[in-house]
Amino acid sequence: AQSVTQPDIHITVSEGASLELRCNYSYGATPYLFWYVQSPGQGLQLLLKYFSGDTLVQGIKGFEAEFKRSQSSFNLRKPSVHWSDAAEYFCAVGARTNAGKSTFGDGTTLTVKP
Amino acid sequence: DTEVTQTPKHLVMGMTNKKSLKCEQHMGHRAMYWYKQKAKKPPELMFVYSYEKLSINESVPSRFSPECPNSSLLNLHLHALQPEDSALYLCASSHSGTRTSGGYNEQFFGPGTRLTVL
Repeated sequence: AQSVTQPDIHITVSEGASLELRCNYSYGATPYLFWYVQSPGQGLQLLLKYFSGDTLVQGIKGFEAEFKRSQSSFNLRKPSVHWSDAAEYFCAVGARTNAGKSTFGDGTTLTVKP
Repeated sequence: DTEVTQTPKHLVMGMTNKKSLKCEQHMGHRAMYWYKQKAKKPPELMFVYSYEKLSINESVPSRFSPECPNSSLLNLHLHALQPEDSALYLCASSHSGTRTSGGYNEQFFGPGTRLTVL
């Protein structure tokens, strides 16, 4: 069975500071990995995804993530956070042969201090 | 068009009402999903349609009835709901369904319908 753990429930960073959100997954084979962002009352927006190839993935809004198979991790990073980045962030793992079963982590709430 | 649209945005209904949520996409996606999301929680998968056929039902109570009239449309019919069913209902679509092995499942989400059951 696939699972995702986001160890940090809530993170606060100052505007302009760097950010790293952690994600650990459990899956029997090479997974599909995703990071989504959700603003209050909104749907989820895909930030980036990893399917194969280069383990450093670039996404929208200046985000990147690195797939580390040895650590079963897919951490999200941004070098300089903007106030508009305050939101809920979800990491998800998807099965390669079953389009229906993406498993989401519990999410990390990001607060940005001025 | 890379958008998933959902109507209505907000819905308030009584426990004896019958209502429907609607989802539409024009990206040619063949898999569509319904999720339920409570506050401060991740989305919970309810149903998956693959090539207009129901492929996954996550043991959802029968008061929720999905329907996929065509490859672009997904409905969720609601009847005799309970107050605990109040939540944000999200629709999503992805490129391929369960019929295609090796297909990727990047999901595009709609903005959701905020449902309140009184």
